[in-house]
Amino acid sequence: GAVVSQHPSRVICKSGTSVKIECRSLDFQATTMFWYRQFPKKSLMLMATSNEGSKATYEQGVEKDKFLINHASLTLSTLTVTSAHPEDSSFYICSARAYGRGRSGELFFGEGSRLTVL
Amino acid sequence: AQRVTQPEKLLSVFKGAPVELKCNYSYSGSPELFWYVQYSRQRLQLLLRHISRESIKGFTADLNKGETSFHLKKPFAQEEDSAMYYCALGTQETSGSRLTFGEGTQLTVNP
Repeated sequence: GAVVSQHPSRVICKSGTSVKIECRSLDFQATTMFWYRQFPKKSLMLMATSNEGSKATYEQGVEKDKFLINHASLTLSTLTVTSAHPEDSSFYICSARAYGRGRSGELFFGEGSRLTVL
Repeated sequence: AQRVTQPEKLLSVFKGAPVELKCNYSYSGSPELFWYVQYSRQRLQLLLRHISRESIKGFTADLNKGETSFHLKKPFAQEEDSAMYYCALGTQETSGSRLTFGEGTQLTVNP
């Protein structure tokens, strides 16, 4: 299947710093990517839809100034957690739809990035 | 508003026994339903989607619009089926991209 890769897989930072998480589609182009957040033993919550070349669309209740999303190319979307605080500690997962080469628009997920804010 | 409910957080069965993971949804429009699976230390991956009407790894799921359900079934569970299963709801309006996930059911198949 198609590959979506996230980096870093784990990051620990001090409160007040900003952290950038990258999501790459390795063998396909993705005009749209999705960012999810997962709390321990809870479901995935859609945070925003990242659109290549335009502004991201945020879900209700998600602070756009807190979670900056940039989709600068067809294979890369970044999520920056600005001025991180302990309550931002979570597992962040991205996904993208793959078309072509026999793929029918299936959503592929990255391996996730675990953020711990001290 | 869209909502997905998986009533069982934990489900334990013995190898060879039938298994059913329940999923109910709430959505007033045209739903697209999916089952995703996450094996230990692996990423989330698609297992089934209702529009395909296929059987993957022996699992099937039928969309019942009257009962707003999309239960996942397998007649004979295997140990390798042990994993976290998420039911997800997309909409035709968004081509199934924006997904609402249930809280997941952890399936354990005992030898």
